[in-house]
Amino acid sequence: SQTIHQWPATLVQPVGSPLSLECTVEGTSNPNLYWYRQAAGRGLQLLFYSVGIGQISSEVPQNLSASRPQDRQFILSSKKLLLSDSGFYLCAWSVSRVAQPQHFGDGTRLSIL
Amino acid sequence: GQQLNQSPQSMFIQEGEDVSMNCTSSSIFNTWLWYKQEPGEGPVLLIALYKAGELTSNGRLTAQFGITRKDSFLNISASIPSDVGIYFCAGTGNQFYFGTGTSLTVIP
Repeated sequence: SQTIHQWPATLVQPVGSPLSLECTVEGTSNPNLYWYRQAAGRGLQLLFYSVGIGQISSEVPQNLSASRPQDRQFILSSKKLLLSDSGFYLCAWSVSRVAQPQHFGDGTRLSIL
Repeated sequence: GQQLNQSPQSMFIQEGEDVSMNCTSSSIFNTWLWYKQEPGEGPVLLIALYKAGELTSNGRLTAQFGITRKDSFLNISASIPSDVGIYFCAGTGNQFYFGTGTSLTVIP
């Protein structure tokens, strides 16, 4: 069966520091991968999605970037964090066909001080 | 991006009561999905609907894909305390869209 792993589970970072969140999927090949941000436990905002290695689409302009160095690895990064980057970050995967359900990781709670 | 209109925003109910929530869109969708999210965790898929008019159950949960393909509802029968959480609908057309969530509180 397929599983998705996200780490770390929680992270506290100072303003201006770099960020790297990692997500890996097991048990499937060539998945679509997604990064979401969720504020205050409501409303998921799609940040990035990827349909293959090295292919990244950005949904909103922001201080973050994403990379997909391997088929089942998706990384969310920032060179300098802002206070507004605080939130709950979720990684998700789906099979690489249109209109298929997305399956989520357990999320990373990011707090910027 | 576009978000679906989900209602109600929040519900406070007594244990044992039935729950009903719905989701509407101005666009036609090919798939309707319902997720539950508990505090500090990612959303978990409860029910997936792939055909207009489809009615699907998962234990005490029942969801339907509206005939117009622009809406869906989720019912929970005989609620229990562990039903607490935020329920999200999602729809797919050429993209994937999430509803704004319904927060459910069950009072023992």
